[in-house]
Amino acid sequence: QQQVKQSPQSLIVQKGGIPIINCAYENTAFDYFPWYQQFPGKGPALLIAIRPDVSEKKEGRFTISFNKSAKQFSLHIMDSQPGDSATYFCAASFNQAGTALIFGKGTTLSVSS
Amino acid sequence: NAGVTQTPKFRILKIGQSMTLQCTQDMNHNYMYWYRQDPGMGLKLIYYSVGAGITDKGEVPNGYNVSRSTTEDFPLRLELAAPSQTSVYFCASSFVPGGSEQYFGPGTRLTVT
Repeated sequence: QQQVKQSPQSLIVQKGGIPIINCAYENTAFDYFPWYQQFPGKGPALLIAIRPDVSEKKEGRFTISFNKSAKQFSLHIMDSQPGDSATYFCAASFNQAGTALIFGKGTTLSVSS
Repeated sequence: NAGVTQTPKFRILKIGQSMTLQCTQDMNHNYMYWYRQDPGMGLKLIYYSVGAGITDKGEVPNGYNVSRSTTEDFPLRLELAAPSQTSVYFCASSFVPGGSEQYFGPGTRLTVT
């Protein structure tokens, strides 16, 4: 059972564009929603995260929008650069011992120059 | 700090062979995790540990075993390797459970033929 659904599977944008990656979750008990960035041959690294008590969070060019009623959250990358080309994973978890991240299937982003 | 280190980086196994994937973290994190990543499938939790001497199964534990004798080390054992275990394996650690940043190692790419 996939509890976090991510789309699109792949995305191509031009430099300066604003790619948007969407995720939907099923379990309303989730209370932590991170986005991880992964470059080829590397492990995932935390990019930005949000908790359900806020609707938006910005860190530099990266913004998470969170819609609790729709059980959806999305990642926006402003002024995208070729160096942003990577695979992005959304995830969700519960804030309790013995739990781990439940990942979406990932989105491969390519930013052309 | 080296963070989370994994060895080996690459390995080819024959069907039926066994091996241990090593994972060490130097951040004094109590929580450690093993994930496997298959193309287009995101990351799935194999086993996790909430502290030395305490481990538990994740979503896909069959064919694997773990141990946690120290805070720093969390090895993953594959017994009787099968082609279905061909994957990239990531170890991760976190300071607190669930809703917090997980730090990932660089991964081990395993091929079983």
